[in-house]
Amino acid sequence: DAKTTQPPSMDCAEGRAANLPCNHSTISGNEYVYWYRQIHSQGPQYIIHGLKNNETNEMASLIITEDRKSSTLILPHATLRDTAVYYCIVRIYNQGGKLIFGQGTELSVKP
Amino acid sequence: DVKVTQSSRYLVKRTGEKVFLECVQDMDHENMFWYRQDPGLGLRLIYFSYDVKMKEKGDIPEGYSVSREKKERFSLILESASTNQTSMYLCASSGTRTGGRNEQFFGPGTRLTVL
Repeated sequence: DAKTTQPPSMDCAEGRAANLPCNHSTISGNEYVYWYRQIHSQGPQYIIHGLKNNETNEMASLIITEDRKSSTLILPHATLRDTAVYYCIVRIYNQGGKLIFGQGTELSVKP
Repeated sequence: DVKVTQSSRYLVKRTGEKVFLECVQDMDHENMFWYRQDPGLGLRLIYFSYDVKMKEKGDIPEGYSVSREKKERFSLILESASTNQTSMYLCASSGTRTGGRNEQFFGPGTRLTVL
């Protein structure tokens, strides 16, 4: 079973920040939070990952709470092309093993 | 750019046929994975491989087998296709570099229909 909980769907206005929450209350000390997204009819795509510090890259920012039981993925200026299903996954870093996908959040960016 | 390619985007087969789904990656990745994706069930892992000639069962291996004779290629085999194997099949690969992100890279998927 997935170790994360996400809302099934969210809407966001184009140009606004999209904030996608994820709960992972049973996360272990050696587990990282990974985010992937899947645009319709494509394979999932890596976005970002983190352990306990906030992370930012060219695609998004990741905010992890101090107790690490939840996190938020932020798309700072959402575009129509960001419409996708976003998956939050916890796994041990550097472990080449499987990803356990939950149901994810279906983000709809509207004009 | 990392490339994970799958042999077909769409495939239609008949019940009882033997089906081969091929996946090739060009990043010299050690790990390769096969998932299937179904509405309401999300992505589920079928098999994975950590090295050539090695394989591990995932969550739903029944009715499937795999082959990894070369590092870059991972094949999923349906010995006798059944209608409940109609699905989207996704292949992925990842590395194990120390300090690397080691995220999984996914192929575009093969939509298999078994009639």
